Amino acid sequence: QSALTQPASVSGSPGQSLTISCTGTSSDIGTYKFVSWYRQHPGNAPELLIYEVTHRPSGISNRFSGSKSGSTASLTISGLQAEDEADYYCTSYTGSSNVFGTGTRVTVL
Amino acid sequence: QVHLVQSGAEVKEPGSSVKVSCKVFGSTFRGYGFSWVRQAPGRGLEWVGAIIPTSPAPKYIQKFQGRVTFYTDESATTAYMEVRGLRSDDTAVYYCGRKAGFCSGPDCYSLDYWGQGTPVTVSS
Repeated sequence: QSALTQPASVSGSPGQSLTISCTGTSSDIGTYKFVSWYRQHPGNAPELLIYEVTHRPSGISNRFSGSKSGSTASLTISGLQAEDEADYYCTSYTGSSNVFGTGTRVTVL
Repeated sequence: QVHLVQSGAEVKEPGSSVKVSCKVFGSTFRGYGFSWVRQAPGRGLEWVGAIIPTSPAPKYIQKFQGRVTFYTDESATTAYMEVRGLRSDDTAVYYCGRKAGFCSGPDCYSLDYWGQGTPVTVSS
C-alpha cells in the first residue's frame, strides 16, 4: 500500500486560511469514510484533529475542518496562528489496514 | 485523564528482538483497540498495525507480517508490541495510540491518545 500523497509544504500568514490536500485512490479515500488528520510538532507525538473525514474530537478548535471529494481529502485551517506551524498527516483505511500520507510542513510566515 | 506511558529507549543489534510496552492510566482497558505507529529519523509517520477488540487477529501492514506481534495484558492495563529480526531500517520512534471511546473496526484507527514514543535504535 503506497503512502497517500500530500504537498511537501504550504505556508500562510497569520489570520489567513490554507488547505492541505491528501490524494489517495479508489481503494482507500475514494471508498471509505475513515479519513483522519493529525498535527505533529517537532519532538512530540501526533495530535488528532479530524476523524471520519469531517468530525472534530472534543477540544479541537473549529478552525480545523475536513472534507473529501472523490479520492482526495482536504484539511482547511482558518485563522492561521503561530502554533499551527507543524507537520500535518492524513491517514485512511484501506480495507485491510491503514496508511498515512507523506506529510505536509506548514509554515506560518 | 487518560495517559499512555511507553517503555524507555532501546538499543538493539541487528537480528535481535525488541518489546515495547504501552501502559494505560486513567481508563479501563477492555473494549479498546491499540494501534502502533513508527517514525524513522527525519521521516513521516508509518502505520505498523493494530489490535482491535472485535477482530480475531491483529492487523498488520504486509511488510511487518511475521515479524511483529501485538498482545495485551488486561491485568496490567498494558499493550505490547514485539518486533523480531531487527534491521537497521527499523530504527525509529515507535508510538502506541488509542481511540477515546469504544470501537469495533476501522473506527479504532483514529487515535485520540498517544504514548510519548519509544526510540529504538538498531545498530551493531
